[in-house]
Amino acid sequence: NAGVTQTPKFQVLKTGQSMTLQCAQDMNHEYMSWYRQDPGMGLRLIHYSVGAGITDQGEVPNGYNVSRSTTEDFPLRLLSAAPSQTSVYFCASSPDRGQGGYTFGSGTRLTVV
Amino acid sequence: AQKVTQAQTEISVVEKEDVTLDCVYETRDTTYYLFWYKQPPSGELVFLIRRNSFDEQNEISGRYSWNFQKSTSSFNFTITASQVVDSAVYFCALSEAWGSQGNLIFGKGTKLSVKP
Repeated sequence: NAGVTQTPKFQVLKTGQSMTLQCAQDMNHEYMSWYRQDPGMGLRLIHYSVGAGITDQGEVPNGYNVSRSTTEDFPLRLLSAAPSQTSVYFCASSPDRGQGGYTFGSGTRLTVV
Repeated sequence: AQKVTQAQTEISVVEKEDVTLDCVYETRDTTYYLFWYKQPPSGELVFLIRRNSFDEQNEISGRYSWNFQKSTSSFNFTITASQVVDSAVYFCALSEAWGSQGNLIFGKGTKLSVKP
């Protein structure tokens, strides 16, 4: 049972490039979300999904796009990377709107130069 | 609006000291959940505890204990006889059944350094 798998673990992008951070879970969780972690800021919600085909914006959605075509996968797309998107990104999943807690992936450290 | 405040940015203690990490939350929901996560230097987020708003019983797990007080909107975390391995960033988080759609609202974290 792998839990929540994020790839890649590290990535360096040039300003203006696009890329997709992958997130997959094998626990059949309906709820999935993306957070970014910046020094001194805690974790902030980017986008979330309450089930396949349904996504919504979180606190800091600008510059990011998501889709949820399957229960298992919830990719995060950076449309045109900017240095302000340098951060550590965490994907999380939950079976029940957070009541049962969240399982987090190991994170992706992204640097935009 | 919902909010989680961890007023202590950094704490440094010597091994075997007891240390308490403070967490104060704001919410209008009557049903909510409080969490503590540990983030060691390796970077992953480790789940420590979940408490729902209807259960104010304190909890103890080994050297860890949690004090939940709805009257003061606090959910404090105490480590007894701290060890070097406890050095990490600790996050308190709130999940509301309705207001935050179940998503986690994190405090900014408290960095704990335990020196030998």
